[in-house]
Amino acid sequence: EDQVTQSPEALRLQEGESSSLNCSYTVSGLRGLFWYRQDPGKGPEFLFTLYSAGEEKEKERLKATLTKKESFLHITAPKPEDSATYLCAVQANNNAGNMLTFGGGTRLMVKP
Amino acid sequence: KAGVTQTPRYLIKTRGQQVTLSCSPISGHRSVSWYQQTPGQGLQFLFEYFSETQRNKGNFPGRFSGRQFSNSRSEMNVSTLELGDSALYLCASSRTGLNQPQHFGDGTRLSIL
Repeated sequence: EDQVTQSPEALRLQEGESSSLNCSYTVSGLRGLFWYRQDPGKGPEFLFTLYSAGEEKEKERLKATLTKKESFLHITAPKPEDSATYLCAVQANNNAGNMLTFGGGTRLMVKP
Repeated sequence: KAGVTQTPRYLIKTRGQQVTLSCSPISGHRSVSWYQQTPGQGLQFLFEYFSETQRNKGNFPGRFSGRQFSNSRSEMNVSTLELGDSALYLCASSRTGLNQPQHFGDGTRLSIL
C-alpha cells in the first residue's frame, strides 16, 4: 500500500528562522511528487512538482528537493505570511491503480 | 482566468439522505478529480474523471459516485449519508490528469446531523 508521511506535524518558527519540512514515501511506480500550500478555509494551492531523484525546484523563500525515499521543503528566512499547512502528494501508477496519495501535512506557524 | 468553482460552499444534511455536489473546472481542463478532507484522515483521493469517463478510483465505498459532462463540469453524489461523511469535499482540475499539478477549488463543507 502506498504511504506518504510528513514530519513534523506542526512547526513553530520565529520570523527569519530557516527550517525544513519532510515528506517520506513508500510507493512503487512513482510518477511525480507534488507540494501544496493550504490556507484555512481554502483549497490547496500548487507549489512544486518533482519527477525524479536529484531534482530541485525553487520559488522565493521555498526550495523543494527529491530523493528516492523522501522530499524536503526548505523554507529560508520565513515570514508570517508563510504560515499555512504544507501538503505533499505522490502520484503513482501501480497495482492499486493510478491515484494521488497525500501526506497528513505540516502546520507551519511563523511568528513575527 | 477563472479558477475551479464548487457549489454549494456549505451544506447540512441528515443521516440517510443523499447529496450532490458540483464542480466547474478551469476552462480547457478535461481532468476533474474529487477528494475528501477530514481532520482524522487528511486529504483522500475519491476518483478522477476524464472525457466523461471515470478513469481512476480511490478506496471509498460505492455510496460515493460521480459523473462528468461533455463540458467537463463534474458532479459528485453521496447516497445514504452517514455521520462520518461530514467533511470538506474538494474538487480539482488539470489539463490531462493526475500527473500534472492539480488546481483546487475551495471545497464544499458538508455537515451531517
